[in-house]
Amino acid sequence: SQELEQSPQSLIVQEGKNLTINCTSSKTLYGLYWYKQKYGEGLIFLMMLQKGGEEKSHEKITAKLDEKKQQSSLHITASQPSHAGIYLCGADRTNDYKLSFGAGTTVTVRA
Amino acid sequence: DVKVTQSSRYLVKRTGEKVFLECVQDMDHENMFWYRQDPGLGLRLIYFSYDVKMKEKGDIPEGYSVSREKKERFSLILESASTNQTSMYLCASSLRGRQPQHFGDGTRLSIL
Repeated sequence: SQELEQSPQSLIVQEGKNLTINCTSSKTLYGLYWYKQKYGEGLIFLMMLQKGGEEKSHEKITAKLDEKKQQSSLHITASQPSHAGIYLCGADRTNDYKLSFGAGTTVTVRA
Repeated sequence: DVKVTQSSRYLVKRTGEKVFLECVQDMDHENMFWYRQDPGLGLRLIYFSYDVKMKEKGDIPEGYSVSREKKERFSLILESASTNQTSMYLCASSLRGRQPQHFGDGTRLSIL
């Protein structure tokens, strides 16, 4: 099955600073999804990437899929307390539309 | 906006009980999914359904069953609850094919 490795496992950032989370796959990514989860709650869909080199932005969050389609990054500019939470990447499995998920990256934003 | 509603946020049941977790989506989505989320193990797929009355096993189906009698509703059933089924359960739905899954708020289930 698809293995997704997220790094770092957790990070603490000062409010106003930028941060980057990476998601690396052992296989070619056909669809890559970024989600955010507040502790004890459901996942909120952020963005979907499908094409090599694709980049999408929403407010202060930018996600990229590399040309080889085996790595994605999520970048947050000028972080705010509202950006705190767990960020998970999910990827389409090769032969069907089930998703495999990374273990998640816990983001803490210090005021 | 897509709305996926799970019937309970918190649930406490006893070992051996039959437990029903309900999930309803309001966007006419074809696909529905049940996951459990555990510390250190991440999100694991239990069952999914791609049409009414259709179901397929996910990665960890043992001890669970599902029911999808109507398109908007997908139920997860713990036939005889055990303590190792204490977990956070998440329901999701997607339109069809390779589309984003949208999640409910989750049910934190404790089996005593």
